[in-house]
Amino acid sequence: SAVISQKPSRDICQRGTSLTIQCQVDSQVTMMFWYRQQPGQSLTLIATANQGSEATYESGFVIDKFPISRPNLTFSTLTVSNMSPEDSSIYLCSVEDSPNYGYTFGSGTRLTVV
Amino acid sequence: KQEVTQIPAALSVPEGENLVLNCSFTDSAIYNLQWFRQDPGKGLTSLLLIQSSQREQTSGRLNASLDKSSGRSTLYIAASQPGDSATYLCAVNPGRRALTFGSGTRLQVQP
Repeated sequence: SAVISQKPSRDICQRGTSLTIQCQVDSQVTMMFWYRQQPGQSLTLIATANQGSEATYESGFVIDKFPISRPNLTFSTLTVSNMSPEDSSIYLCSVEDSPNYGYTFGSGTRLTVV
Repeated sequence: KQEVTQIPAALSVPEGENLVLNCSFTDSAIYNLQWFRQDPGKGLTSLLLIQSSQREQTSGRLNASLDKSSGRSTLYIAASQPGDSATYLCAVNPGRRALTFGSGTRLQVQP
């Protein structure tokens, strides 16, 4: 199954700053997904990132706040911009490994905004 | 819009008990269903994947069943251990799109 390397694993950031999260996959994948998990909550999809096109954002998430890059089939970044304490969450990337293996997730980025 | 519900929200059992976690979904048009485990502050570990044409899957002490027509899945954990303590998430796959997650069951196994 695919292996995803996600960085950083955690960070503490000042409000008003931005953080870029990276995900590197050890195989080529068409779609990558970015999720947010707020404290005590389940996962909410932020956007779907396809190589060579703009990401598709879910309701409640906008490109100015969460810009995404997908320069090739193995890599993607999510930036959390102009952060506030409400952005404190775990952010996870995911890929569909294969129909037989399901979806694989990165180890997550635990973000605390102070 | 697909909605996934997990019951119970939290569960505390003594070591050695067999237990069942429940997952229900509103739209039966799914490609497959996946159960994950999440330790506090960590990412997700895949436990079992059930294709829409399958009824159940087993891995060690874990058994997951799927009744697609009624929109239900269960995760059975046999002979629970303290190391099983985690949050268990059920997620449905509509097919080549992002997963839809339930809210999870937080399991505590007491030694």
